[in-house]
Amino acid sequence: QSALTQPPSASGSPGQSVTISCTGTSSDVGGYNYVSWYQQHPDKAPKLMIYEVSKRPSGVPDRFSGSKSGNTASLTVSGLQAEDEADYYCTSYAGSNNEVFGGGTKLTVL
Amino acid sequence: EVQLVESGGGLVEPGGSLRLSCAASGFTFSNVWMSWVRQAPGKGLEWVGRLKGKTDGGTTDYAAPVKGRFTISSDDSKNTVYLQMNSLKTEDTAVYYCTKYSTTWSFDYWGQGTLVTVSS
Repeated sequence: QSALTQPPSASGSPGQSVTISCTGTSSDVGGYNYVSWYQQHPDKAPKLMIYEVSKRPSGVPDRFSGSKSGNTASLTVSGLQAEDEADYYCTSYAGSNNEVFGGGTKLTVL
Repeated sequence: EVQLVESGGGLVEPGGSLRLSCAASGFTFSNVWMSWVRQAPGKGLEWVGRLKGKTDGGTTDYAAPVKGRFTISSDDSKNTVYLQMNSLKTEDTAVYYCTKYSTTWSFDYWGQGTLVTVSS
């Protein structure tokens, strides 16, 4: 199973919006509404930010939103804040009881 | 409060074995799916495998790179899930995270991770 494709980096100024893409295939992202996104600060464990494409767990700011079109899912961070600077990973259920992660995107707040 | 605490990491030679433990609290353990995810130094996240809850058959699934070498099991009396790693390779060097796998097909809680280094 190949990893999902994410851009290695993204950036934006405080207050701006930034969107991170996650491209897979019809066997994973395009085939199921089970895309989730994780935020990871340096030397910390990942944290769930979005599940089932667009749902936010309790406690996650509504500045974080998710969507999907075809084989590509997206995470949008609106009103960028300094604490949003982190690595972001997408993952999708990939059928046959498999999971696949994206390669990760380093988000820099300028 | 959900807590996952991993232990058992360390240095092991290629071809050796190691067993990681993950002590869980804050939820009903026996019906929950649990997963292991690893992260090689400076690299991204990689799914290792999962253990389904007893009510879903208690079966396991594994990623291709570890299938046949790694085994996930649990001891419900201790609220603990294990990752038995055999025939270790240098490319298995990583921080191993224990995760709770939710009914929404996402990893909703993570442990702090334990480092496994495979080197001679």
